[in-house]
Amino acid sequence: QKEVEQDPGPLSVPEGAIVSLNCTYSNSAFQYFMWYRQYSRKGPELLMYTYSSGNKEDGRFTAQVDKSSKYISLFIRDSQPSDSATYLCAMSPYGNNRLAFGKGNQVVVIP
Amino acid sequence: NAGVTQTPKFQVLKTGQSMTLQCAQDMNHEYMSWYRQDPGMGLRLIHYSVGAGITDQGEVPNGYNVSRSTTEDFPLRLLSAAPSQTSVYFCASSYTKTGGQIGYTFGSGTRLTVV
Repeated sequence: QKEVEQDPGPLSVPEGAIVSLNCTYSNSAFQYFMWYRQYSRKGPELLMYTYSSGNKEDGRFTAQVDKSSKYISLFIRDSQPSDSATYLCAMSPYGNNRLAFGKGNQVVVIP
Repeated sequence: NAGVTQTPKFQVLKTGQSMTLQCAQDMNHEYMSWYRQDPGMGLRLIHYSVGAGITDQGEVPNGYNVSRSTTEDFPLRLLSAAPSQTSVYFCASSYTKTGGQIGYTFGSGTRLTVV
């Protein structure tokens, strides 16, 4: 079992819809949780960062962490065509710089 | 502020050839790493460094060498290229914070094809 599981299946939504992405993980030592956005033929860029459990909101983006269920989510409200990208979850333990990545989830927002 | 710069952006190699992928960062970050990204496989860690003179292996180190003589540079060497090393390679850096890091800054990638 990989440390981080993320369903890579492409997700197509109409513009304005809510996009819901999630990852599960097996390592209970993970304390830092991140979401990266990667546009085609570009490097990943940090989108959201949370520490331990809870919610974090930044504009149209909300990240949730449920450590009891080992489950993290990213929600994108009022999705725009510019949100079309691959979204990767990543996480690391306390005091460790090595990130474990999910495989990424391709999102297409249709105008 | 250039961030993380990778060169070259594209490269075609013949099987058995060697080459070096360059990575430089101007943010004075201590931690640097190399990943490869393949369809359906996500990002896999090849090698990483926690500071000048210190390197360690990641998940898929075979066929690759690294060194870290300065804080700024972290080159990745392919010793004898194989078709299985066809991939997109990303270099990333981050600063070390007590208890963990906020996130990485990635370069724009090197697309390598081995024929």
